[in-house]
This record gives sequence, structure tokens and C-alpha cells, in this order.
Amino acid sequence: QQQVKQSPQSLIVQKGGISIINCAYENTAFDYFPWYQQFPGKGPALLIAIRPDVSEKKEGRFTISFNKSAKQFSLHIMDSQPGDSATYFCAASLGYKLSFGAGTTVTVRA
Amino acid sequence: NAGVMQNPRHLVRRRGQEARLRCSPMKGHSHVYWYRQLPEEGLKFMVYLQKENIIDESGMPKERFSAEFPKEGPSILRIQQVVRGDSAAYFCASSPSGLGANTEAFFGQGTRLTVV
Repeated sequence: QQQVKQSPQSLIVQKGGISIINCAYENTAFDYFPWYQQFPGKGPALLIAIRPDVSEKKEGRFTISFNKSAKQFSLHIMDSQPGDSATYFCAASLGYKLSFGAGTTVTVRA
Repeated sequence: NAGVMQNPRHLVRRRGQEARLRCSPMKGHSHVYWYRQLPEEGLKFMVYLQKENIIDESGMPKERFSAEFPKEGPSILRIQQVVRGDSAAYFCASSPSGLGANTEAFFGQGTRLTVV
């Protein structure tokens, strides 16, 4: 079964806008929550990650918000740029095993 | 330092043939993970290997699929008697030690298998 549920499936945002992607998980044993960015024809690359004892982490224009009680976490892309157009995957790990969401295709219109 | 290298990038096989996918981890990495990505889906864990050992193959189909990571050479994911449902992108990742909160896995560019 899908251990990590991700939404929306796709989104379109204007340049300079904010992209928000949401994920929810069931297994409270997950101990690490990374986000991956994937461009067409490429492998996923780690973008930003958070541990469950932290409620927010920011790196440049990318912010993860984490709500442990609700078992939800989200990625915010501020000031979205055309170069951010990609597919984004949330994931949750239990030790070495990553469980991925289904992905969100983000299109940033100039 | 070259990244994780996978080959071939694209592989076409007829039903019933064998597919061999290769993965060379990053230099200094002795832990390899294989994932499968079906269209419109996220990556699904298949197997975790260290040199000469299979640590966890809980995500591998019970039949036709096998993986190895020999002492010398790349890791190999082998699919025997391929069927159309095996068509997917197969990604390999590597890490210097066991993956966890303080260890990042680096992914290769994937092998896109098409079964015709």
C-alpha cells in the first residue's frame, strides 16, 4: 500500500509565485523526510530534508514544514522560477528504506 | 568524482528475453539500492545490497528477478523472461554507509526498460 500520499499530482504556477506540495504518512516510525527533485531523463536528486523533531527547515527558496501530530509535511517553493519546473517527490525513510510519494509535476510559467 | 553510473540508459527487450541492468556506485560507496518507477508513480524499493551480500530483497518480485553486487564490478539487476509489466524505469542509488538520517543516497540516471 502507498505509505506516503502526495498531492497535488501536478501544478502550474507563475514565475515568482509560490508552489506548495503536500504529503501525508501513516507510519510513525519514519525517522527522516527528504524531498527529491527529478528532471526529465534524470535520476532523483536530494533537494532538502527534515527530521521529525524539527517543525520547519529552510534552504534558500525551499522550505519544509513538518506537522508531527498530523503526520503531514509540505514543501514550499518561494519565488518559483522556470528552472524549478520538475517533478518533486516526498519520501519517508525507516532506516535504509525510502518510501516515496507518487510525485508532483511542477510547471513554472514565465 | 563520477556519480552513480547506470547502463544502458535505454533497453528494449522482447517478451521472454532477459534484461541485465548495471549500476556502478560512486567511488567509495559500498551500499547499493535498486528502485523501480512505474509511469505516474513514485519509486518503489526493490533491494538493498552490500558487496557480495543481499541485505534486504523484500521489494523484489519472488520470481524472475535477481540482484547481485560482486566483490569486483558493478551491481547487476537481472530480469528473466521479461513481460510487458516489467516496463519501467529502474534506478540505482548508492551510499557510503547504511542509509539513514545522516547519510544521503545518490541516484543514477536510471535505465528505462521497454518490453515489446
